Amino acid sequence: AQTVTQSQPEMSVQEAETVTLSCTYDTSESNYYLFWYKQPPSRQMILVIRQEAYKQQNATENRFSVNFQKAAKSFSLKISDSQLGDTAMYFCAFMKYGTDKLIFGTGTRLQVFP
Amino acid sequence: DAGVIQSPRHEVTEMGQEVTLRCKPISGHDYLFWYRQTMMRGLELLIYFNNNVPIDDSGMPEDRFSAKMPNASFSTLKIQPSEPRDSAVYFCASSPSRVAKNIQYFGAGTRLSVL
Repeated sequence: AQTVTQSQPEMSVQEAETVTLSCTYDTSESNYYLFWYKQPPSRQMILVIRQEAYKQQNATENRFSVNFQKAAKSFSLKISDSQLGDTAMYFCAFMKYGTDKLIFGTGTRLQVFP
Repeated sequence: DAGVIQSPRHEVTEMGQEVTLRCKPISGHDYLFWYRQTMMRGLELLIYFNNNVPIDDSGMPEDRFSAKMPNASFSTLKIQPSEPRDSAVYFCASSPSRVAKNIQYFGAGTRLSVL
C-alpha cells in the first residue's frame, strides 16, 4: 500500500521569504502522480501543483515549484516570495497511475508572518 | 463555473439521528468523490463514482454510511444512525475524465457535529 509522509507538522516564514515543505512517499509503482493541495482557513481544498512521475522536469506554477526526486521518493514544495495569503494547511498527495484514488499526507500548517 | 457545491456547510445533530449531506459536482465532470477529514485520521476517501456508478466503496466505515448518485448533477452521503465519532468535515470532489490530468476539485466541505 502507498503511504505519504509529511514530517513537518508546522512551519513559519516571513513575508517575501522562501519556504520549502517536505513530502516523502512509499510506493512500488513506477507510474503515478503527485499533488500539493492547499487548505486555507476557509476550508476548501485547492490544487497548488501537480507532477507526473514519468516527467523528469520539475513542475512550476508561478511562485510555487517542486523538487521531485523519484529515486529518493521525495516531492518537496517550494514557495517563493511568500505572501500572507499563503497561510494554510498544505497536503501532499499520491495517485497511482490508472486509478482515481488520492492518498493524502497528514499536512503541514504554514504560517506566513508580516 | 460555480465549482463543487456542498450543503449544508454546517450540521449539528444528536446521536441516533439521520444525517444527509449533499453535493453538486461541476457540470461535465465524470467522477465524484466523498472524503472525510478528522484530526486523528486526516483525509480519507470514503467512496467514489464514475458516471453515477459507485466504483470503490472500500473506505466507507460501516453500514451506517451510504452514498448515492441518482444523476450526474447530484450526490448524497447519508449516515443513519449517526454517532459522535462521525463528527468530521466531509468533502465532496469532482474530476473530469482521466485524460484531463486526474485533478480533483473540492467543495467547501460540510462540518458535521454529532452530539
